[in-house]
Amino acid sequence: GENVEQHPSTLSVQEGDSAVIKCTYSDSASNYFPWYKQELGKGPQLIIDIRSNVGEKKDQRIAVTLNKTAKHFSLHITETQPEDSAVYFCAASVGNTPLVFGKGTRLSVIA
Amino acid sequence: DGGITQSPKYLFRKEGQNVTLSCEQNLNHDAMYWYRQDPGQGLRLIYYSQIVNDFQKGDIAEGYSVSREKKESFPLTVTSAQKNPTAFYLCASSTVNSNQPQHFGDGTRLSIL
Repeated sequence: GENVEQHPSTLSVQEGDSAVIKCTYSDSASNYFPWYKQELGKGPQLIIDIRSNVGEKKDQRIAVTLNKTAKHFSLHITETQPEDSAVYFCAASVGNTPLVFGKGTRLSVIA
Repeated sequence: DGGITQSPKYLFRKEGQNVTLSCEQNLNHDAMYWYRQDPGQGLRLIYYSQIVNDFQKGDIAEGYSVSREKKESFPLTVTSAQKNPTAFYLCASSTVNSNQPQHFGDGTRLSIL
């Protein structure tokens, strides 16, 4: 089955700097790659997703890139702010099968 | 407002006791999911259901049971057979169409007394 690896597990950046989180997946048939943000005591919230027919997608300060040949995808957050501090999860799926999640990255933005 | 409601937010279980976690959604989604979250482990799939009266085991189904009698509801029972039940439990829902996101509730934290 699908396996998703996520790095790094923790990341600290200065406010205003960029943050990059990387994920790799094992199943070449995977075609949907969402990213979630989880704040303390809350459920994960979708922040951006990308489908396999697209190489890059951007939404304001957040962007995701996908390299299907290498089977990896990345989340980029620019101009980080303290409210970006949270745990971020990547995930992958094939068709309508359940998402398989990475183990998460704890991002701390230092003011 | 449309969304997913999990209750209770905190739950305590005594040794040898079964407990049931509630999950209700008003998003008209056909598919519902239960995940367990442990520190540093990400989200692991317990059970999922894509249609009423049908459900499938996920990666860690042992010690858990579910039912799907209504489209809106997908309760999870943590049985006494689950030897390490302390965790944060998350319910999610989605359409059954391909490449669609899951929407999550705010979780139930289960602890052992």
